[in-house]
Amino acid sequence: DIQMTQSPSSLSASVGDRVTITCRASQSISNYLNWYQQIPGKAPKLLIYAASSLQSGVPSRFSGSGSGTDFTLTISSLQPEDFATYYCQQTYSMFRTFGHGTKVEIK
Amino acid sequence: EVQMVESGGGLVQPGGSLRLSCAASGFTFSSYPMHWVRQAPGKGLEWVGFIRSKADGGTTEYAASVKGRFTISRDDSKSIAYLQMDSLKPEDTGVYYCSREIVLLLAAIHHYYGMDVWGRGTTVTVSS
Repeated sequence: DIQMTQSPSSLSASVGDRVTITCRASQSISNYLNWYQQIPGKAPKLLIYAASSLQSGVPSRFSGSGSGTDFTLTISSLQPEDFATYYCQQTYSMFRTFGHGTKVEIK
Repeated sequence: EVQMVESGGGLVQPGGSLRLSCAASGFTFSSYPMHWVRQAPGKGLEWVGFIRSKADGGTTEYAASVKGRFTISRDDSKSIAYLQMDSLKPEDTGVYYCSREIVLLLAAIHHYYGMDVWGRGTTVTVSS
């Protein structure tokens, strides 16, 4: 199976900060990389698909980049509603896998 | 309104069985692959498995942790996906979500791009 490694596992940031989360695949996955946001007690929400395409309705402060094995999710100016856990996921393999998550906390 | 609603969760003893259902509405259910994803208490997301659309073969794939114990099926006439769980273990405890996946047909090849609609989840507890 393709392993997805996210870093950091958690971070503390302030409202207005620029936040970057990275995700590395154990093999090349082209652009088959998606990002999700999960608020405690809620279902995950798709933010970015195909590495850099913004899902409809998602604020433009979220952006994704990368290809091959290395990917990045950036939040340009952190808002109060962005404090959550973020997961990357690959859809290159028929056996979908998620990263272990990055928890974004209030500093 | 596009939505998916899971049901069928509950408390079951180790070795027991449970069938979860995922009822979809507001979209053409038959056109989409359907996934099950679970989350153990306090842990991250774990992909369980999925079933392709009939147009893409209708076949299934499973995570190694559940293969041989879990079975995914679909009834397109009712817009429902099912997850049959047998030989349950305590480590199967968690919230189970169903989701649909974005699929694009490009040059006669299906490309899969993320799960854009999720249910609220149903809780499964495996304990004696």
